[in-house]
Amino acid sequence: AQKITQTQPGMFVQEKEAVTLDCTYDTSDPSYGLFWYKQPSSGEMIFLIYQGSYDQQNATEGRYSLNFQKARKSANLVISASQLGDSAMYFCAMRGSGNTGKLIFGQGTTLQVKP
Amino acid sequence: DSGVTQTPKHLITATGQRVTLRCSPRSGDLSVYWYQQSLDQGLQFLIQYYNGEERAKGNILERFSAQQFPDLHSELNLSSLELGDSALYFCASSPRGGFHEQFFGPGTRLTVL
Repeated sequence: AQKITQTQPGMFVQEKEAVTLDCTYDTSDPSYGLFWYKQPSSGEMIFLIYQGSYDQQNATEGRYSLNFQKARKSANLVISASQLGDSAMYFCAMRGSGNTGKLIFGQGTTLQVKP
Repeated sequence: DSGVTQTPKHLITATGQRVTLRCSPRSGDLSVYWYQQSLDQGLQFLIQYYNGEERAKGNILERFSAQQFPDLHSELNLSSLELGDSALYFCASSPRGGFHEQFFGPGTRLTVL
């Protein structure tokens, strides 16, 4: 069965510093996709970044980068130069098996950015 | 703004009632997904439609049903509501043939009293 694990329930980071949010996954499918979403206190789910299992390079989107280590089955999110607005819940998700885009989510990590 | 719209934003109802949640995907997106977010279960996939056809089913209760209409909007029907159905219900959409993007609507917060 496919599974996503986020072991950090809560994290603190100082403003302007970088932070890494951990995500490990388990799947037997050779083809899969990994996503990160941000959920601020207002509740919406904001798509941040995507990494495909066959992508040769780590995905980057502005201040977000995904540290993809296939052999270790990890897909950590790195946020550079943290801002106060980065305070939110962050979810790692994996696209399920088969010809479907359904997502399996981890339990989330709450990030608080300190001024 | 993701381009996915959901109505209503909030819904308060009583046990045993039936409600309908509505979702309009981003323009051009053919896939619609429904997810439930609750404190005890986290974020769970419920069901996916692609161009009007059911594509995948997750942990969706028999009391729940969904459909996607010819104009691609989707509705999630929840019946015989129980206290435990209180949750945030998200709709998401992704483009044709594209599983590398999935954009979420703002959600409908359902409270069952």
